[in-house]
Amino acid sequence: SQQGEEDPQALSIQEGENATMNCSYKTSINNLQWYRQNSGRGLVHLILIRSNEREKHSGRLRVTLDTSKKSSSLLITASRAADTASYFCATDEETSGSRLTFGEGTQLTVNP
Amino acid sequence: DTGVSQDPRHKITKRGQNVTFRCDPISEHNRLYWYRQTLGQGPEFLTYFQNEAQLEKSRLLSDRFSAERPKGSFSTLEIQRTEQGDSAMYLCASSFEFASYTFGSGTRLTVV
Repeated sequence: SQQGEEDPQALSIQEGENATMNCSYKTSINNLQWYRQNSGRGLVHLILIRSNEREKHSGRLRVTLDTSKKSSSLLITASRAADTASYFCATDEETSGSRLTFGEGTQLTVNP
Repeated sequence: DTGVSQDPRHKITKRGQNVTFRCDPISEHNRLYWYRQTLGQGPEFLTYFQNEAQLEKSRLLSDRFSAERPKGSFSTLEIQRTEQGDSAMYLCASSFEFASYTFGSGTRLTVV
């Protein structure tokens, strides 16, 4: 079953703009991870944020986590055409035995 | 070691035939996961191994599906008596303990 729900389902922006994607989940988690997937390929890990962390940065990526609202956001700053991909949040639930549960993803299109 | 390898990349089979997919994880990783992904959806968990032990199987994994990981190295996923509903991308991932996943490029199965 899908725990994470991403919002929006699709996002189209111009190069140079910032892109924000949101993820909501339902149960208590150990950590939340964001992955990227180019069309027809495997997923690539972007960033992991633990349940006791509120914000994390990696290059042009900024992730926030609000465990009281059971939500996370991924911000990509100064987007590039090469950022065009699907982005998924995945939760490591406390009761899951450390397998990840993925949301349905946000399809990001960055227009040059 | 260049990452997680999956073979074949594509498989077309007739309904009712058996198919087997192979996954070679990163050698230092003790955990191996199988997921299934259909178009426009996030990956759905199928099963995972810690070393050679299969620790969890999803309810999605019917009796026609079987997975093995002999000697805790590579893994195989077999689907018997394939049905059109089995058409999907089958993704393998590996990790060391509770770290992030490294995914393979997937095997795309088409049942005709």
